[in-house]
Amino acid sequence: GDSVTQMEGPVTLSEEAFLTINCTYTATGYPSLFWYVQYPGEGLQLLLKATKADDKGSNKGFEATYRKETTSFHLEKGSVQVSDSAVYFCALSDMWNTGFQKLVFGTGTRLLVSP
Amino acid sequence: EAQVTQNPRYLITVTGKKLTVTCSQNMNHEYMSWYRQDPGLGLRQIYYSMNVEVTDKGDVPEGYKVSRKEKRNFPLILESPSPNQTSLYFCASREGLADSYEQYFGPGTRLTVT
Repeated sequence: GDSVTQMEGPVTLSEEAFLTINCTYTATGYPSLFWYVQYPGEGLQLLLKATKADDKGSNKGFEATYRKETTSFHLEKGSVQVSDSAVYFCALSDMWNTGFQKLVFGTGTRLLVSP
Repeated sequence: EAQVTQNPRYLITVTGKKLTVTCSQNMNHEYMSWYRQDPGLGLRQIYYSMNVEVTDKGDVPEGYKVSRKEKRNFPLILESPSPNQTSLYFCASREGLADSYEQYFGPGTRLTVT
């Protein structure tokens, strides 16, 4: 079945460092891809999404490009801030294979940014 | 403000004592679902509902029940909780069924079953 694999955390960075969180997926169809962020004590919020190959999603300085050839959707940010400390989840939605009813999530990657 | 609310936010209970976690959304979304979040496993879907009186099992439905009597509410019921149901639970709603529609998540309910 469809699945999402994320790099293990925590990822520890200093403020203003460059961030990459790797995400690869397995899907038999043509999924949409998402990054969700979970701040401490809160629910998940959509950070960005891409619905087809070569699309780039972007929001709040974060970017991710849907790479069908490498089945990847890596999250990047050029200069992280302390306020970016959170858990980041990569997810896919593949209505024609896993069904329209759910997102398939990766295990999450915790990011810790120090001043 | 568009939101999904859950209650309670924290709950400690004992094995076998029935409990209900409420979920409500104010966005008139037809589609709602419940997930549980466990370390190293990410989020897994428990149940979902496509509309009033229409519910179906997700990936991990054992030990849970749901109901959808009103469009805005989707309570999660644990008839006889067990320690393996200790987890962080999220309710979510979605405007439509296409892949591109965003899911909106509640703040979570942390449940501990002793």
